[in-house]
Amino acid sequence: GIQVEQSPPDLILQEGANSTLRCNFSDSVNNLQWFHQNPWGQLINLFYIPSGTKQNGRLSATTVATERYSLLYISSSQTTDSGVYFCAVEGLADSWGKLQFGAGTQVVVTP
Amino acid sequence: DAGITQSPRHKVTETGTPVTLRCHQTENHRYMYWYRQDPGHGLRLIHYSYGVKDTDKGEVSDGYSVSRSKTEDFLLTLESATSSQTSVYFCAISVLQGEAFFGQGTRLTVV
Repeated sequence: GIQVEQSPPDLILQEGANSTLRCNFSDSVNNLQWFHQNPWGQLINLFYIPSGTKQNGRLSATTVATERYSLLYISSSQTTDSGVYFCAVEGLADSWGKLQFGAGTQVVVTP
Repeated sequence: DAGITQSPRHKVTETGTPVTLRCHQTENHRYMYWYRQDPGHGLRLIHYSYGVKDTDKGEVSDGYSVSRSKTEDFLLTLESATSSQTSVYFCAISVLQGEAFFGQGTRLTVV
């Protein structure tokens, strides 16, 4: 099956700093999503982005499908950005919306 | 909010006992999924459903069964719980273009 690798595994940021999280995948995809898991365990949809660029407030994401990677940008980080960020993909060979998750990037934003 | 409710939210059970987790959705989505989350693994697909009475296995289906007798409910059963099934279980739905939304999760501890 498709492999998903996220980097870095851990990230500690000072409040106000910018950061970039990366997601590499091993095969072509027809679905890519970014999620934020908050400290209470809730999974929050950030972006549905199989290709192209999207922005939502201080967050933006870019997927370069031909090169098999996606980037999540966090600008002017806040303590509420802490948590785990997951990238999940559905390979072209798959169907029915089945997602393969990366292991996540643990982000800690300090005041 | 995609109208997904998981029950129970927390459960402690003994090894060898059967356990059923329930996922209820209110928006008539066709596709439903069960994932488990363990440290270092992100989320992994257990079973999924593409319609009433239509289910199939995911990546980590051993020891689990599912049923979907009506659109709104997707049940996950551990026939005989083992300590390796201690995990956080998430239910998800998929909307038309493939974007997934998750329930709040169920924390299951098998002692």
